[in-house]
Amino acid sequence: DGGITQSPKYLFRKEGQNVTLSCEQNLNHDAMYWYRQDPGQGLRLIYYSQIVNDFQKGDIAEGYSVSREKKESFPLTVTSAQKNPTAFYLCASSFTFREMYTEAFFGQGTRLTVV
Amino acid sequence: GENVEQHPSTLSVQEGDSAVIKCTYSDSASNYFPWYKQELGKRPQLIIDIRSNVGEKKDQRIAVTLNKTAKHFSLHITETQPEDSAVYFCAPFRGANNLFFGTGTRLTVIP
Repeated sequence: DGGITQSPKYLFRKEGQNVTLSCEQNLNHDAMYWYRQDPGQGLRLIYYSQIVNDFQKGDIAEGYSVSREKKESFPLTVTSAQKNPTAFYLCASSFTFREMYTEAFFGQGTRLTVV
Repeated sequence: GENVEQHPSTLSVQEGDSAVIKCTYSDSASNYFPWYKQELGKRPQLIIDIRSNVGEKKDQRIAVTLNKTAKHFSLHITETQPEDSAVYFCAPFRGANNLFFGTGTRLTVIP
């Protein structure tokens, strides 16, 4: 069953802790993205990666880190430096070929709450 | 990055009426123009897309029109139904290594 999977669905973090959100896809997509969505707001790009071992900052990368050691996986770490991490986090992937682009597929999201 | 704006930010229509959402972008090199629908608490999903060599595309009750000269494209929903209530995002793309979404439009269809 192909798709993109995020885990966990809900995550609670104590202040000062780092947490890692998982994103795995078996669609053979090259590009992967992380977005943050606050209530009633749009999608803001945190990080993106087009190939293994390479990633770029989006608009709101401060306080976040990522890795891309495998094509299938793009985990996001929310560090203690992120002062307001409570939000809904969405991971997405897409296929790119010679600068052509197709639709983005999204995971079901992780809702992170700081307690 | 791409400067993407959507209008209106909220839209309420009576069931059966039409809804139109406009997306304006800044990068003239954009060549792919999708619209995504996000229902409450769920993930965004593609509902229709168009490429730069086509001016209009239709799929049952939804359509997308593109004006590359003016750098905008629009989503048209006819005969709206309550299940069309959602937030809609555009994401004009030029094949670069990023994917920026518009600010979103919250559509409410009143039964």
